[in-house]
Amino acid sequence: EIVLTQSPGTLSLSPGERATLSCRASQSFSSTYLAWYQQKRGQPPRLLISGASSRATGIPDRFSGSGSGTDFTLTISRLEPEDFAVYYCQQYGSSLTFGGGTKVEI
Amino acid sequence: EVQLVQSGAEVKKPGESLKISCKGSGYTFTNYWIGWVRQMPGKGLEWMGIIYPGDSDTRYRPSFQGQVTISADKSISTAYLQWSSLKASDTGMYYCARRPGNQPFDYWGQGTLVTVSS
Repeated sequence: EIVLTQSPGTLSLSPGERATLSCRASQSFSSTYLAWYQQKRGQPPRLLISGASSRATGIPDRFSGSGSGTDFTLTISRLEPEDFAVYYCQQYGSSLTFGGGTKVEI
Repeated sequence: EVQLVQSGAEVKKPGESLKISCKGSGYTFTNYWIGWVRQMPGKGLEWMGIIYPGDSDTRYRPSFQGQVTISADKSISTAYLQWSSLKASDTGMYYCARRPGNQPFDYWGQGTLVTVSS
């Protein structure tokens, strides 16, 4: 099973700042199969990014994804108040696994 | 509009059985996988298993194999997650989610909270 490790566990930032979230895999896989989700308290996850860098429908362009091999990054260019949430990466090429999550807090 | 509507919260005792549901609408139910994801209190997301309602092809994450059963009734566009003997450690929020082919989960249910306590 591919293990995904997200860092940092918590990111403390202010609105308007840039957020950089990391997702590292235990073995290399195609970036075609890397997704990012956002989960707000009391809500189900929402798909943000698929294929490492393709935004899902309706996702603002301040969200961007990049990476390949074992290292992937989600960047939020300028944090809006509604962006403070927990973010999960997921690989969906070899079975399915989620990372442990990064909480973005004020 | 695509929707996945899950059954309501449950409170059960250890050893009891339970079956929760996830009803899809707004799309062709048999053409998409439905996965189940567990979220224990204050913790992250864990994929449990997935079913293709078109032919009932079912896959389980090894750690959940034998612990739960995933099924679907395509005649009523509903997928199920069931336990034969609940444990306190099964307490958590359970989400169903739609998966188009070899893509990530694109639509999620609202979640079903399962509480197992004596």
